[in-house]
Formats: sequence, structure tokens, C-alpha cells
Amino acid sequence: DGGITQSPKYLFRKEGQNVTLSCEQNLNHDAMYWYRQDPGQGLRLIYYSQIVNDFQKGDIAEGYSVSREKKESFPLTVTSAQKNPTAFYLCASSTNQGRTEAFFGQGTRLTVV
Amino acid sequence: GDSVTQMEGPVTLSEEAFLTINCTYTATGYPSLFWYVQYPGEGLQLLLKATKADDKGSNKGFEATYRKETTSFHLEKGSVQVSDSAVYFCALSEAGGFKTIFGAGTRLFVKA
Repeated sequence: DGGITQSPKYLFRKEGQNVTLSCEQNLNHDAMYWYRQDPGQGLRLIYYSQIVNDFQKGDIAEGYSVSREKKESFPLTVTSAQKNPTAFYLCASSTNQGRTEAFFGQGTRLTVV
Repeated sequence: GDSVTQMEGPVTLSEEAFLTINCTYTATGYPSLFWYVQYPGEGLQLLLKATKADDKGSNKGFEATYRKETTSFHLEKGSVQVSDSAVYFCALSEAGGFKTIFGAGTRLFVKA
């Protein structure tokens, strides 16, 4: 079955450490996205990539970094520069044709301890 | 720029009540419109969609009609169940673009 896989589902990090969240899709989608969701809040776009080897900052990119070396993969690194990293992180993908739906992973809940 | 505005929650209903969640949009072109649902601790799932004016999207008893004249896409269900408790997001995607624009989400609680 095609879909998006995020791992791990739960992640704990000590303050000052970088951590990388995995996102893999087998939908053959060109575009991929990372969102942050805080409790009781909506989605905020962190980074997006329209095509391999290219990505753009979203609304809240500070303290995060990404890479897009393969079409299937779009990992997100939460760096120590991110002051408040505890949140629910969602990865999504879509075609880049417009007017089509996005497909989401199950999310990774990151907690800083 | 494009935007989506949906009614603030939480919305609290008793089982078997009628549900309406309002959604209006602003778009420069002719977008597709979507409703997504998010159950606790999970990602978003597409609930229904409509791609042109007067289209009605429907799924699992939910429905929404694409109203171009009022730029609206209100979500309705005739009889909600406890299992419908979730957060509902209205969204649009433009031709010529690829990003989906989401509303802020509306949390629904259904009491038995």
C-alpha cells in the first residue's frame, strides 16, 4: 500500500541535542512538507520541497533544517537553536500539479526532557 | 494571498445532533476544496473534496458543497456519533500552485 511513514512515533530529546525525524513516502509525489502542531492549535509550515534537491523555508523555519536528496525521503532535523521544540510534527506529500490533496504521515511527537 | 477561515471551536454536541462547521475561503484562482479530519494523536486524513462549483463531496455521512458565489464549503452531518469527535480542517489547493492552505481547525466533541 502506498503511503507516508514517519518514524519514530515518540521521541525524547535532551536540551541542547539535535534530533532528526524521518519521513518516507512511496506515493511517487514530487512535493513534500513538514508541519508543526502545538496542543490545540492548527498546522504551521516549517519547510517544503517541490522537487528533489530543492527546498524552501516555510513560516517557522528557524531552528530547523531539512534535506531532499531522494524523492522518497524528506528528513527534518530539529537543532539546538530551536527554543521550544516540544510539539507534534507532521510530514505530508502531494503532487506538484496543484488542486490535489495532501497525504499525511501519522506524526512524531517530540518531547524535550 | 489565499486563505481559509473556519468557525472556532470547540463545538460540543450530543450524539445524533446535526453538525455544521462553517468554512469560507479567499483564492485568486479556482481552487479545489477539502475537508480533513484528525483523530487524537494521529495525522490528518482526507475526509472529502470538491473540485468545481456546485460539486458535493461526501464520505462517512459527512458532506460539503462547493459554493463559488459565497466562497464557502461548509461541512455538515445529519447525525453525529461519539466516534466523530476529532479536529476538522478545511483546506484549499490552487491550480498553478502546489501547497495546501489550511484553516485553523475546529475541534468537535460529541457526548453520548
